[in-house]
Amino acid sequence: DTAVSQTPKYLVTQMGNDKSIKCEQNLGHDTMYWYKQDSKKFLKIMFSYNNKELIINETVPNRFSPKSPDKAHLNLHINSLELGDSAVYFCASSPPWDTEAFFGQGTRLTVV
Amino acid sequence: GENVEQHPSTLSVQEGDSAVIKCTYSDSASNYFPWYKQELGKRPQLIIDIRSNVGEKKDQRIAVTLNKTAKHFSLHITETQPEDSAVYFCAATAGDTGRRALTFGSGTRLQVQP
Repeated sequence: DTAVSQTPKYLVTQMGNDKSIKCEQNLGHDTMYWYKQDSKKFLKIMFSYNNKELIINETVPNRFSPKSPDKAHLNLHINSLELGDSAVYFCASSPPWDTEAFFGQGTRLTVV
Repeated sequence: GENVEQHPSTLSVQEGDSAVIKCTYSDSASNYFPWYKQELGKRPQLIIDIRSNVGEKKDQRIAVTLNKTAKHFSLHITETQPEDSAVYFCAATAGDTGRRALTFGSGTRLQVQP
């Protein structure tokens, strides 16, 4: 009964490829996020969706495109991958009545 | 936007000692301040949080204090144990419900020596 689940857990790919990471939450939360954690462990918000509506779009290259088919899913598609995209990407969700963020297990993306 | 600064970046203590991690934030509208613990290779998990209408909160060996005037908040861990070793993140957020995202500090790597 995983609350926030991401797939895949590991992703190794070559520069220039396009890849997607999927995220699903079964908590009934309205808000979902993508965070990026770099090699220095900085956790930075990338996107936030509330009821399928894009709320926050930080200064992320437009090669990154989030898609929310319904409020339980938030996928991240990355075009033309670059070496600097290597990081751990975390999906998270939070309820409408609170702000605690529940994180998925993370996807370690390695671009070679 | 919000900016959260956290220090120290690393902290080493002996088992049984106390550990204190401090954070400052920039946005006076911030009203929610959680602390997350991240073990190696794992996801961040909430360990305690505090809201702007409260000055202090305690949960067993963990306590958090908030000084709204000075815009800083701190995590206190007493009687540290080796399993407390992890990276700890503070965070802050402001804005309307459903339009919030947490801004994280840069993390503190806590090492508890047995």
